[in-house]
Amino acid sequence: QVQLQESGPGLVKPSQTLSLTCIVSGGSISSGGYYWSWVRQHPGKALEWIGYIYYSVTTYYNSSLKSRVTISVDTSKNQFSLKLTSVTAADTAVYYCARENYGREGAYWFDPWGQGILVTVSS
Amino acid sequence: SSELTQDPAVSVALGQTVRITCQGDSLRDYYANWYQQKPGLAPVVVVYGRNNRPSGIPDRFSGSRSGNTASLTITGAQAEDEADYYCNSRDSSGYHVLFGGGTKLTVL
Repeated sequence: QVQLQESGPGLVKPSQTLSLTCIVSGGSISSGGYYWSWVRQHPGKALEWIGYIYYSVTTYYNSSLKSRVTISVDTSKNQFSLKLTSVTAADTAVYYCARENYGREGAYWFDPWGQGILVTVSS
Repeated sequence: SSELTQDPAVSVALGQTVRITCQGDSLRDYYANWYQQKPGLAPVVVVYGRNNRPSGIPDRFSGSRSGNTASLTITGAQAEDEADYYCNSRDSSGYHVLFGGGTKLTVL
């Protein structure tokens, strides 16, 4: 079955760019019909959707983050990435990559998820 | 509306039935999905769509919808069901994703 694994630095300095990669194994990221997504969770808080990429080119982002977020796909490496610019302490969170599925009932749901990676923004 | 609202905390006696709810206008157009999250772990989907359970999820978990409210019902709650539960759906535009604020379930 498909598995996802986040990778990247666990510490980023304020004003710099947070860059994470999600490695997809057990399936091709080029398979149609999936929304390759990023979700974050501030310590002790709820899940927050960051955005997704669809068919390798179409992206949608959370309006509150849109000006700072870019999600892209590298099909040759079977992975997708998140870049978040101009980070502050408020961006300290666990970042998850996940695959959003679309079903015949018109349902959209996340499965599977990566294990998550804690990114701390601090000097 | 672009929000999903959940009660922050719910408790249930061991072996009893509990319902966790999620309210939002988007639920009139899109099904809610439910995720279980235990401390230090990634969320796991327990119910998705109309009322579907992934393989490995016990049949004591079920979902339903009425109007703008979706519910996750656990029939015969077990100690291992103690966790945070999140609902999610697409927003009414269909392009953005919403998550509820989460419900902490305590099994007494």
